[in-house]
Amino acid sequence: EPEVTQTPSHQVTQMGQEVILRCVPISNHLYFYWYRQILGQKVEFLVSFYNNEISEKSEIFDDQFSVERPDGSNFTLKIRSTKLEDSAMYFCASNGANVLTFGAGSRLTVL
Amino acid sequence: AQSVTQLGSHVSVSEGALVLLRCNYSSSVPPYLFWYVQYPNQGLQLLLKYTSAATLVKGINGFEAEFKKSETSFHLTKPSAHMSDAAEYFCAVSFSGGYQKVTFGIGTKLQVIP
Repeated sequence: EPEVTQTPSHQVTQMGQEVILRCVPISNHLYFYWYRQILGQKVEFLVSFYNNEISEKSEIFDDQFSVERPDGSNFTLKIRSTKLEDSAMYFCASNGANVLTFGAGSRLTVL
Repeated sequence: AQSVTQLGSHVSVSEGALVLLRCNYSSSVPPYLFWYVQYPNQGLQLLLKYTSAATLVKGINGFEAEFKKSETSFHLTKPSAHMSDAAEYFCAVSFSGGYQKVTFGIGTKLQVIP
């Protein structure tokens, strides 16, 4: 069964450092998303992406965040200068037939 | 704006008992509704979805949910709980007909007691 692949599974970084989280969506999907889940809290929408541009973003997705599809397969989330409160599990998803398929997540720990 | 409310952040059932996880939605347009399950330290797995076809939807692992427009509900049920059902369950909503974002509820953690 096709799946969404995320790397790394866990990243530890120092506050103020840049982080790039990578995702390989399902190959024939055209819509991509990033969500995050702070420990013990709900899954929150960050951004959706279609046709090489952001289609919607939440209040959380401020200027510190950016997304990119640098080639035909990868979809990345960049956090320019990480803060302690960015520590969370980040989920990538892609949409086919109106259903989001999620990756296993990347756990980001900011020290 | 669309939203879902999950009643009960923690639910405990005995093994073999009925599982009922409650979800109510709010949407100004016909919704698509989903239940996702998250096992410890894992990602989100789709259990089932309602996309305006049959109101009773069957999913994986013996779960099902019924869309009730009059009650704005989409409760998740399973006749007989198994130990392996222990996980966190998220109800989610999106607008029908498109590739809109999905909005999640706060989640219900299901504990199954042997």
